[in-house]
Amino acid sequence: AQKVTQAQTEISVVEKEDVTLDCVYETRDTTYYLFWYKQPPSGELVFLIRRNSFDEQNEISGRYSWNFQKSTSSFNFTITASQVVDSAVYFCALNREKSGGGADGLTFGKGTHLIIQP
Amino acid sequence: EAQVTQNPRYLITVTGKKLTVTCSQNMNHEYMSWYRQDPGLGLRQIYYSMNVEVTDKGDVPEGYKVSRKEKRNFPLILESPSPNQTSLYFCASSARLAGDNEQFFGPGTRLTVL
Repeated sequence: AQKVTQAQTEISVVEKEDVTLDCVYETRDTTYYLFWYKQPPSGELVFLIRRNSFDEQNEISGRYSWNFQKSTSSFNFTITASQVVDSAVYFCALNREKSGGGADGLTFGKGTHLIIQP
Repeated sequence: EAQVTQNPRYLITVTGKKLTVTCSQNMNHEYMSWYRQDPGLGLRQIYYSMNVEVTDKGDVPEGYKVSRKEKRNFPLILESPSPNQTSLYFCASSARLAGDNEQFFGPGTRLTVL
């Protein structure tokens, strides 16, 4: 069975601070995909990034960066110079590739509520 | 505009009164699914569909039904809603059922069962 753990329920920082959201996953599959989604106060889910299990390169997109480490089964998300607009709930999720093809759907962590104070 | 739509967006109902939440996508996606979001639990998959007339249970299917008669639509049916089904529901779709496919989410339906 797959599992995604986001141990940080809530994080509060002051604007312009850097903040890292942790994500640890469990899976027995060799091919899998990791995702991060953002849920702002308006409630919609916004796709941020997808990573496959064979690509451990870190990724940077503006103030956002992701650190994927298979050795520790972690896929952490860092926001540099945080802004009030970054306040949201962030979800890490996992999807696997079945041996016969196809997938089950996303397994989500419980989310981290990030509060950026002005 | 490519999108997943859900109706209604908000619904308050009473225990036992059958209801349907509709979901429609205009991207010709094969795969559709339903999730529920509860505080402290994240999102959990209820049902998914790999194509027309093909559906399967997710992690929390009890108390729900789905159907996939057309590719674009995937309604969620609560035959006899109970208060523990009060939740925020999301419909999602992706081009195909593969682990790497990005899922596009609808705006959510907030359901309250009294």
